[in-house]
Amino acid sequence: EAQVTQNPRYLITVTGKKLTVTCSQNMNHEYMSWYRQDPGLGLRQIYYSMNVEVTDKGDVPEGYKVSRKEKRNFPLILESPSPNQTSLYFCASSFWTGNFSPLHFGNGTRLTVT
Amino acid sequence: KQEVTQIPAALSVPEGENLVLNCSFTDSAIYNLQWFRQDPGKGLTSLLLIQSSQREQTSGRLNASLDKSSGRSTLYIAASQPGDSATYLCAVSPEGDMRFGAGTRLTVKP
Repeated sequence: EAQVTQNPRYLITVTGKKLTVTCSQNMNHEYMSWYRQDPGLGLRQIYYSMNVEVTDKGDVPEGYKVSRKEKRNFPLILESPSPNQTSLYFCASSFWTGNFSPLHFGNGTRLTVT
Repeated sequence: KQEVTQIPAALSVPEGENLVLNCSFTDSAIYNLQWFRQDPGKGLTSLLLIQSSQREQTSGRLNASLDKSSGRSTLYIAASQPGDSATYLCAVSPEGDMRFGAGTRLTVKP
């Protein structure tokens, strides 16, 4: 089954403790991206990657890191999480061949930083 | 900076009605526009994607149009059903950076 898999689904952590949220897709998509969704602020892009070893900042990259060493994986790293990073996070992917194909989303990771 | 606006923020209709959701964007330099559906606590599901060279796309009871020159898109839902109740979001991609609207929360009453 074609899918985008995020882990974990729920995560509670404390301020300053480094964490990684994993994202993997099995559709051989070139494009992958991370978003956070907050009430009243909607869905905002954190980082995106057009292909392996190519990453770019989205709207709200501060406090986050990403890497794209393999085509299928695009982990989101919070080096020193803070309470304002408490949010619902989504990973998504699509083909990129000069045009985008429909974006496939993961089921989300609900992160709480205390 | 690209801004995406969706009107109305919420909409409640009786079952069977045809309805239109609106999406506007400030910069016409886009690759495509997508409409998504989000159910509570779930991820987004792509409904329709309109490439910048296209004017509309149709899937079943859904029809989306794109007018780049005016910075507008509409999602038309025919013969609405209670199962259509969800939040509908539009998104534009200038390049890899995607911009989402805040969504329209649709309730279809039986």
